[in-house]
Amino acid sequence: QKEVEQNSGPLSVPEGAIASLNCTYSDRGSQSFFWYRQYSGKSPELIMSIYSNGDKEDGRFTAQLNKASQYVSLLIRDSQPSDSATYLCAGDSGGYQKVTFGTGTKLQVIP
Amino acid sequence: DGGITQSPKYLFRKEGQNVTLSCEQNLNHDAMYWYRQDPGQGLRLIYYSQIVNDFQKGDIAEGYSVSREKKESFPLTVTSAQKNPTAFYLCASSISGGQYEQYFGPGTRLTVT
Repeated sequence: QKEVEQNSGPLSVPEGAIASLNCTYSDRGSQSFFWYRQYSGKSPELIMSIYSNGDKEDGRFTAQLNKASQYVSLLIRDSQPSDSATYLCAGDSGGYQKVTFGTGTKLQVIP
Repeated sequence: DGGITQSPKYLFRKEGQNVTLSCEQNLNHDAMYWYRQDPGQGLRLIYYSQIVNDFQKGDIAEGYSVSREKKESFPLTVTSAQKNPTAFYLCASSISGGQYEQYFGPGTRLTVT
């Protein structure tokens, strides 16, 4: 079973700090990775996708991919209380036909 | 506006009844997916479809059935054979396949008593 693993948290950071969320994956064939944000009781919302080794920045969010070490991370700069949510990491699997999700990391930004 | 709709938002059923959850998308996406989420858990894949009239079982297909007669629609039936059907059900779509971003509908919360 191909897996995507995340620390369930909660990860608590003060407002204005950098939040660092990490994810590891077991399928060396995975090429595409995604970060979703899910507020309590709501459906997941796509934040970032990353396909190549290195960093990808979008506003306050930076996704990092290291295929050799099989990890993906998400950095949130200048964290805000509105960033408090569960963050799901996902990677393609099954010959690119589907996506495997991690169980999510709960982030709490303390005002 | 393009998007994915799921209905109803909340659904209550008695044990032993089959129930069908609706999922419609107007994004012109080829691939559609059904996930189940239990409290404090990640998403588990039930069924997925890459093209009209074709679908594959996911990791937890037992007790569920789907159809894909139209590109826009991918309904999920929760049958009485599903032992623990109470959950949050999420439908998603992507352009084609797992290498592309998936976009989710608002979800249906099913409670079976």
